[in-house]
Amino acid sequence: DIQMTQSPSSLSASVGDRVTITCRASQSISSYLNWYQQKPGKAPKLLIYAASSLKSGVPSRFSGSGSGTDFSLTISSLQPEDLATYHCQQSHSAPYTFGQGTKLEIK
Amino acid sequence: QLQLQESGPGLGKPSETLSLTCTVSGASISSNNYYWGWIRQPPGKGLEWIGSISYSGTTYYSPSLKSRVTISVDTSKNQFSLKLTSVTAADTAVYYCAAPYNWNHVVDLWGQGTLLTVSS
Repeated sequence: DIQMTQSPSSLSASVGDRVTITCRASQSISSYLNWYQQKPGKAPKLLIYAASSLKSGVPSRFSGSGSGTDFSLTISSLQPEDLATYHCQQSHSAPYTFGQGTKLEIK
Repeated sequence: QLQLQESGPGLGKPSETLSLTCTVSGASISSNNYYWGWIRQPPGKGLEWIGSISYSGTTYYSPSLKSRVTISVDTSKNQFSLKLTSVTAADTAVYYCAAPYNWNHVVDLWGQGTLLTVSS
């Protein structure tokens, strides 16, 4: 299995801050990396696929980058509605494993 | 548009075999655009990919669950199901059904989730 490791596991930031979450794969997954946002009590929603492609309708303050084993999700200017847990997932090969999640809190 | 809705027993006892069902609306489950899959999330923890099945019956399972899991499709009811055998408290989780795209296995469609609690 490909192991996915996210960091940090939690972070607190202020409105307007630039926030970066990282995700590392245990082996190269090319650009087969997806990011999901999960708000409390809700199902996850797709934000970014193929490492850097923004899903239609997702605010442009979200961006993704990376390839191979190291990836990142950046929120350029944090908004109150971004309170959520963010998950990375590799879709390179089955089992399509997730990272452990990063809980983002607003100061 | 395509929608997914889980249903299940809610509560089960250790050692039992439990089944969850996902009803697909807005598209045929025979569509070759999607896989049909299950993902779970234990309370306060991260997401765990369980497995998926294609319209042609090809299945992929997590190795850690493979011996206890079966995913199947019922085309007559436009549903797919998850069967989990020999359940323990560690199987307590919110179970999501999902529809990964057939060509890249990205999940852009999720059910709302159903809580399955295993307790004696």
